[in-house]
Amino acid sequence: QKEVEQNSGPLSVPEGAIASLNCTYSDRGSQSFFWYRQYSGKSPELIMSIYSNGDKEDGRFTAQLNKASQYVSLLIRDSQPSDSATYLCASSRGTGRRALTFGSGTRLQVQP
Amino acid sequence: DGGITQSPKYLFRKEGQNVTLSCEQNLNHDAMYWYRQDPGQGLRLIYYSQIVNDFQKGDIAEGYSVSREKKESFPLTVTSAQKNPTAFYLCASSRSGTNTEAFFGQGTRLTVV
Repeated sequence: QKEVEQNSGPLSVPEGAIASLNCTYSDRGSQSFFWYRQYSGKSPELIMSIYSNGDKEDGRFTAQLNKASQYVSLLIRDSQPSDSATYLCASSRGTGRRALTFGSGTRLQVQP
Repeated sequence: DGGITQSPKYLFRKEGQNVTLSCEQNLNHDAMYWYRQDPGQGLRLIYYSQIVNDFQKGDIAEGYSVSREKKESFPLTVTSAQKNPTAFYLCASSRSGTNTEAFFGQGTRLTVV
């Protein structure tokens, strides 16, 4: 079992719709969670971080964390074609090895 | 400009050669990381360093070596022992402690010819 799991997609949504990206993790020692966006051939770009249960909103993005269910999600409202990319979910432990552990990513396609 | 600089952007290696990838940051971050990404895959941790003069192996350290003599620099050497080195290599850095965000350089694409 991978430590961080994501559906590889592609997830296809029409322009203006809400895109919902999901991630589960297996390490209960994970305390910090991150969403990165990666365009083809480029390096990952941090778009959201979340550390506590509940929702965190930043512009069109909302991250959701449920530690009891070991589940993290990212909602993108009013999706734009420029949001088309691979979204990587990552987790980090609070103690010991604090390097990020990444999922394999979900490819999002926003159709104009 | 503050950030993380990786060089070169593209690198070609002959079979049996060692090559060194550079990573420099001016963010005053304590922690630095090296990841490898293969096509269609997520990032896998090669080595990480949480403080100068100390580093730990990640999940796929075999065939790689690092040094951390300065806070700003964390070079990665891909040795001839690495059997399949063709990949996209990403360096990242973060502040120390919990709940800290990691930021990436632009990456080095290594190809064995």
